[in-house]
Amino acid sequence: EAQVTQNPRYLITVTGKKLTVTCSQNMNHEYMSWYRQDPGLGLRQIYYSMNVEVTDKGDVPEGYKVSRKEKRNFPLILESPSPNQTSLYFCASSLVAPGTIDYEQYFGPGTRLTVT
Amino acid sequence: GQNIDQPTEMTATEGAIVQINCTYQTSGFNGLFWYQQHAGEAPTFLSYNVLDGLEEKGRFSSFLSRSKGYSYLLLKELQMKDSASYLCAVRDIGNRDDKIIFGKGTRLHILP
Repeated sequence: EAQVTQNPRYLITVTGKKLTVTCSQNMNHEYMSWYRQDPGLGLRQIYYSMNVEVTDKGDVPEGYKVSRKEKRNFPLILESPSPNQTSLYFCASSLVAPGTIDYEQYFGPGTRLTVT
Repeated sequence: GQNIDQPTEMTATEGAIVQINCTYQTSGFNGLFWYQQHAGEAPTFLSYNVLDGLEEKGRFSSFLSRSKGYSYLLLKELQMKDSASYLCAVRDIGNRDDKIIFGKGTRLHILP
C-alpha cells in the first residue's frame, strides 16, 4: 500500500530535549516536505527536499533541521524544542515537484507534539 | 509579499452546490492546489490548476484565473461527508526558493 508514515504520532516532551520525528514514504517520490498546522494559522511549510541531499527552507524553518540521506526518509529534527513548537506536524511527498504535470502530494497521518 | 485569502466558514445544505473562493497574491505563482481535510486527519489532494480555466473531477471542480489571482472550488450534490475544511495552496517560486503557501482553510458545514 502506497503511504507516508510518521513516527511518533503523539509526543509530549520538555523544553530543550532534542527529538526527531521520522517520515518515510514507499512511493519512490523525489519531493518531500514538512508542515506544521496551528489553529488560526493554517498549514505552514517548514522545510522541503527536491531529492536526496537537497533540502531548502520553507516559510518557518527556525528551530528545525532536516536531512535527506536517502530518498524514502526525511526526518525532522528539533535540536532544542521550545513551547512555541507545540503543534501538529505533517510530512508530505510527491512524485515530482509541485507545479509540474502529474503532481499530487500525499500527506502522512500527522504528529501531535506538545513541548512543556 | 505572499497572501492567500479564503472565507473562514461556510454552510450549505445536503444536495446543494457550494463555491469556495480563494484569492492570492504571490510574486512567483506556479500552480494552485485544493485540499480537503477532515477534523483530526491529514489533508487529501483534490485538484491542481496551473493554467486558466476549469478542471472537473467528479462532483468537484476547480477554476483558476491567473490574471485576477483568483480560484474557486465548486462542490456539487453535497453529501454529509463533505463536511470538512478546504485548503487553498499556492506554489510560489522566488529567486532562491520554491515554497508552498497555504491559506488558513474554509470550514464547510453541511446541513441535512
